[in-house]
Amino acid sequence: GAVVSQHPSWVICKSGTSVKIECRSLDFQATTMFWYRQFPKQSLMLMATSNEGSKATYEQGVEKDKFLINHASLTLSTLTVTSAHPEDSSFYICSASSDRDNGYTFGSGTRLTVV
Amino acid sequence: ELKVEQNPLFLSMQEGKNYTIYCNYSTTSDRLYWYRQDPGKSLESLFVLLSNGAVKQEGRLMASLDTKARLSTLHITAAVHDLSATYFCAARFWDGLTFGKGTHLIIQP
Repeated sequence: GAVVSQHPSWVICKSGTSVKIECRSLDFQATTMFWYRQFPKQSLMLMATSNEGSKATYEQGVEKDKFLINHASLTLSTLTVTSAHPEDSSFYICSASSDRDNGYTFGSGTRLTVV
Repeated sequence: ELKVEQNPLFLSMQEGKNYTIYCNYSTTSDRLYWYRQDPGKSLESLFVLLSNGAVKQEGRLMASLDTKARLSTLHITAAVHDLSATYFCAARFWDGLTFGKGTHLIIQP
C-alpha cells in the first residue's frame, strides 16, 4: 500500500529559530501534497496544498511567509516553520495524493514544541 | 462556507453497546472519509464513501452515506475497548479535506 514517511517525528526548538519538516511518498508519485495542523484535542486544519513544481496554495489565515512549503519533486515536500514561536507548537501532518481518485495517504505526523 | 459538523464530540459507552456517530456537511462533496486517530498518532483510514447510499463495513464499524441529506454515519456494533479512539469524518471539497471536530470515544469494560 501507499506509504508516506514524515520526519522528524518530534522536534523541540528555541523561539526564533526555523524548523524543517519533510514528507516523502515512498512508493508512489505524489502530485499533490497537503499540510495540516492539529492543536491538542482539536481537529485537523488544512494549511496549504502544493502541486509538484508549483507554488503552494495557502488557506485563509495561514501566513505563507511563515510556513514555507516546497514541493520540488514528485516524492518530497517540505514545510519550514520560520522564526518559530510558542504559539506554533502543534502537531503537523502531511498527506499525499497521486491523483484525485486514489485518495490520500497520511504521514505519521511531527510534534513541534517551541520553547 | 465549507463546514463539517460531527456529533457527538464526546462519547463514553460500555462494551457490548451499539452507537452511532453523525457527520453533516454543508455543501456538495464527492467523497466522505472516516478516520481513526489514537493519542499522539496520525490518522488511520477507515472508510471512503463515494456515492449516495454507499455502505461499508469493517468488523464492528459500519459507515453509510446519504448525499441528499449530506449526512454520513459511523455505526459501532457491540463495542469493545480496543475501539476507544478519536474518530474524524472529512469531506472533500476541491482537493483538500475539511474535517469535523472529531468524536472522542471511550469504551469502558
